[in-house]
Amino acid sequence: QVQLQQWGAGLLKPSETLSLTCAVYGASLSDNFWTWIRQPPGKGLEWIGDINHSGSANYNPSLMSRVTMSVDLSTKQLFLKLRSVTAADSAVYYCARVGIRYKWNAPRVNWFDPWGQGSLVIVSS
Amino acid sequence: DIQLTQSPSFLSASVGDRVTITCRASQGISSYLAWYQQKPGKAPKLLIYGASTLQSGVPSRFSGSGSGTEFTLTISSLQPEDFTTYYCQQVDRYPITFGQGTRLDIK
Repeated sequence: QVQLQQWGAGLLKPSETLSLTCAVYGASLSDNFWTWIRQPPGKGLEWIGDINHSGSANYNPSLMSRVTMSVDLSTKQLFLKLRSVTAADSAVYYCARVGIRYKWNAPRVNWFDPWGQGSLVIVSS
Repeated sequence: DIQLTQSPSFLSASVGDRVTITCRASQGISSYLAWYQQKPGKAPKLLIYGASTLQSGVPSRFSGSGSGTEFTLTISSLQPEDFTTYYCQQVDRYPITFGQGTRLDIK
């Protein structure tokens, strides 16, 4: 059974860097893509980006200038960094496994499952 | 970006009712749509992908249909644990986007 466990700093000041880690259990990082999503309190879901085992990432254009995703195959961990945070970045952040389909022999996103438990990050001065 | 609009945003129903939630895409996305259920304080759970394929372990009272720009999630007979929030998601092209959510309450 695949499980994702997340952790990271929960309270940041404006302009600091958000750093989250997601550990993967029961699945190989190499056989899957991985993604990060966030959800401001009481609001909907926003896709942040996804990454494969070789570190090739796709980012949401709305966050691309501030976000970096990475993976560590040896520890089976995923990492999210978001620079220069503001109050608008306050949210629950989730990692998730990406189910893949193939279109014209290229991997494409199909679904997100399972998800990590979520990490609440508050940005406040 | 592809916009997804769910309707209704709020829905009241009773145990045993049949309900349908609609998700409309701002442009055609073939059948590249997924549905998620989210309970308060929990991560979303995948229900359906490919517009109509039921994820393993999801009760058969959940079903999905549609293609192109209009999709539906149907719950055939509501159970007490189904009263929560549902999101659609398009995975046809980047950036991946979600609908705004539909909250299902007990009448």
